[in-house]
Amino acid sequence: DAKTTQPTSMDCAEGRAANLPCNHSTISGNEYVYWYRQIHSQGPQYIIHGLKNNETNEMASLIITEDRKSSTLILPHATLRDTAVYYCIVRGRVGTASKLTFGTGTRLQVTL
Amino acid sequence: GAVVSQHPSWVICKSGTSVKIECRSLDFQATTMFWYRQFPKQSLMLMATSNEGSKATYEQGVEKDKFLINHASLTLSTLTVTSAHPEDSSFYICSASTDTGDGYTFGSGTRLTVV
Repeated sequence: DAKTTQPTSMDCAEGRAANLPCNHSTISGNEYVYWYRQIHSQGPQYIIHGLKNNETNEMASLIITEDRKSSTLILPHATLRDTAVYYCIVRGRVGTASKLTFGTGTRLQVTL
Repeated sequence: GAVVSQHPSWVICKSGTSVKIECRSLDFQATTMFWYRQFPKQSLMLMATSNEGSKATYEQGVEKDKFLINHASLTLSTLTVTSAHPEDSSFYICSASTDTGDGYTFGSGTRLTVV
């Protein structure tokens, strides 16, 4: 699976949009971009995933560049409960499950 | 949505004893489950992949005789830490996947403290 690079930490004011970048320059054509987050002392929570088109769900939006070498997770109106470590993971989607490899992630701190 | 239940959420055990952690998929069948370990301020490290009805595949450096994994049904996988030592104290997390591989659902984790 392709390696990802994320900033170590970011701050965001409550109510503002949080934009979390991820570089995955070695991504291959059949690999998806997945985002998870982990709130302190809990298991990771799935947020969103995409292949090449931008995606949006009730939690967030995922913007993938045209060359697919980077992406941005957008939390449109961050709240204190969004404080967590956010992981960007690239993996292939095959018929049977393949493992997720977690990098160091971005620690997002949402402040008042 | 898919729910994975992990039990217990925390456990304290004496050095030399064994501890079993359960991971159940509540509303779906999980052909594949994964076990991770996470030390403080570090990321999740994959320990092993278990497939229902077959032997688990362990990551390099993980002792298969120490961390016993059983995936006897499509809804239950167990991780047994045998002869636990203080250095085994960690946060253990399981995740489950269906055949579609659209996403992975994680359990809430088990904090193991060996004293």
